[in-house]
Formats: sequence, structure tokens, C-alpha cells
Amino acid sequence: GIQVEQSPPDLILQEGANSTLRCNFSDSVNNLQWFHQNPWGQLINLFYIPSGTKQNGRLSATTVATERYSLLYISSSQTTDSGVYFCAVGGYNTDKLIFGTGTRLQVFP
Amino acid sequence: GAGVSQTPSNKVTEKGKYVELRCDPISGHTALYWYRQSLGQGPEFLIYFQGTGAADDSGLPNDRFFAVRPEGSVSTLKIQRTERGDSAVYLCASSLKGTGLQNEQFFGPGTRLTVL
Repeated sequence: GIQVEQSPPDLILQEGANSTLRCNFSDSVNNLQWFHQNPWGQLINLFYIPSGTKQNGRLSATTVATERYSLLYISSSQTTDSGVYFCAVGGYNTDKLIFGTGTRLQVFP
Repeated sequence: GAGVSQTPSNKVTEKGKYVELRCDPISGHTALYWYRQSLGQGPEFLIYFQGTGAADDSGLPNDRFFAVRPEGSVSTLKIQRTERGDSAVYLCASSLKGTGLQNEQFFGPGTRLTVL
């Protein structure tokens, strides 16, 4: 099956800093989603981005499908950005999502 | 509109007991998924429904786990003879369609199952 790797595993930032999270995957995908899991465990949809670039406020994401990676950019980080960020992919022959191990982000004031 | 809802939010049971977890998908979503998340890990796929039928149950760990979606909306995940290793957060997701386009999945808040 498809393997998904996220880096870095942990990230500690001061409020206002920018960061880049990376997701590598091992095969072609037709679904790629970025999620933020808040401290209460809720998975919040950030982007549905199997290819291309999208922006939503301070967050943006880029997926280069031909090179099998996606990047999530967080600018001007806030303490409320803390939590775990997951990348999840779906292949062409399956509808399930395969999740990476996540990046744990802590933003301090 | 309302998101995916799951009940109960927490369930504590004893080893060997039977449990049922319920998922109510977003209205109009035909695809429904169950995942399981253990502490410190990402969610892992269990089963996927397209309408009333299980289109992919390859993630169910063994025959103690079973899920139904009799009317193509609400789904119930059933676990027989629970074991301590079943303790996890069980997540449900739904999407507009299961295949190809419009497969963005939206997750519920989860049911935290603890088996004593």
C-alpha cells in the first residue's frame, strides 16, 4: 500500500513565526487532505489538495503530484495553531485515506 | 449544516462485553468510513460504505468487528467480546461520493472506547 511520511515529527515555534510541514507519499494519489487535530481530538479539514496550490488565510498548501509530495505553510503562527497536523492520501484504486504519523506543533506566546 | 456526529462520546466497558458505536453522517453524503486512532498515531482505516453496502472492509482487524448501514445513512460499528487492545478512539467520516471526484472526507468527533 501507499506509504506516507511527514516531517518534522515535532515543531516548536514562538508566536508569529512561519513554518513548513512536509508530506511525502510513495505512489500516485487522487486524494490528499491536510487536517489539524485539535487538543480535543477533532480532525479539522484544512485543505483538499490532490494537486496544485490553495490558500486559506494564514495557511496555504501545495501538492506536486508528479514528485509525490505536499507542503503545508503556516504563516504568523498563533497559539491556537498548536496541535497535530496530519496529511492523508487516497490512491486511485481505493477510497480509504492513509494517514501519516503527523507533525506535532507547539506554538508558545 | 450539521457535521458528522458520533455517539457515545465516551464508552467504558469490561473485557468480553459487546459494544455498539453509532455514526450519523452529513446529510446527503453517500460514502461513510470508520477509522480507529490509537494514542500517538494517525487514524487507521477500518471499513467503507457506499450506500448500504460495505465496499471495502479490508481494515477490520478480525471477525469480532462488524459494521452495518441498513438504510444508507446512519452506521453502527459493533465489537463483540471486547479486548483491552480494542481501546482507542473510533472515528467516523463521510464524503459526498466515495470514488474519484468529491471524495473529501469530513470527520466526526470520535468515540473514545476504553476496555477495562
